[in-house]
Amino acid sequence: AQSVTQLDSQVPVFEEAPVELRCNYSSSVSVYLFWYVQYPNQGLQLLLKYLSGSTLVKGINGFEAEFNKSQTSFHLRKPSVHISDTAEYFCAVSRSIQGAQKLVFGQGTRLTINP
Amino acid sequence: AAGVIQSPRHLIKEKRETATLKCYPIPRHDTVYWYQQGPGQDPQFLISFYEKMQSDKGSIPDRFSAQQFSDYHSELNMSSLELGDSALYFCASSLVPTEAFFGQGTRLTVV
Repeated sequence: AQSVTQLDSQVPVFEEAPVELRCNYSSSVSVYLFWYVQYPNQGLQLLLKYLSGSTLVKGINGFEAEFNKSQTSFHLRKPSVHISDTAEYFCAVSRSIQGAQKLVFGQGTRLTINP
Repeated sequence: AAGVIQSPRHLIKEKRETATLKCYPIPRHDTVYWYQQGPGQDPQFLISFYEKMQSDKGSIPDRFSAQQFSDYHSELNMSSLELGDSALYFCASSLVPTEAFFGQGTRLTVV
């Protein structure tokens, strides 16, 4: 079974500072990896995904993440954050086989941007 | 672009009542997923359908049932509601095996 651990429940940073949100996963099989963002009272929006290929993936809103198979990590980064990035961020994993595969989510990291 | 549509957006029910949540996936998507997100929690997988057949089942109570219809929309039926069922219920759809796109959710409050 897969599991996802987001190492920080809350991350406060100042505007225009860089940020890294950490995500580690465990799985006995190859996986797909995702980062979703949830703004207050909103649904989940996909930021980026890793399916295969280049380990550095770029997403929307200036975010990027790096898949590290040896460390089973998929940390999310942004070089300069904006007030509008304040939200809950979820790392998720699904198995990389054909057919419908459920997402297993981490506990979420609340990113708070201070002016 | 069309997104996943969920209705209603908000629902208030009393204990022991029944609720039906509806989900309209993105056109041509073949898979629908239901998730439950309690207050301050991460989304928990309930159930999924692939080409109108149940494909996977998670921590869904026996009081809940779901189905996907011929037009690919899905309904989550919840009976004998309990206070603990109060949560945000998300539907997502995908064209396997790509990423899932989520709806805005239905906020269910049981009083």
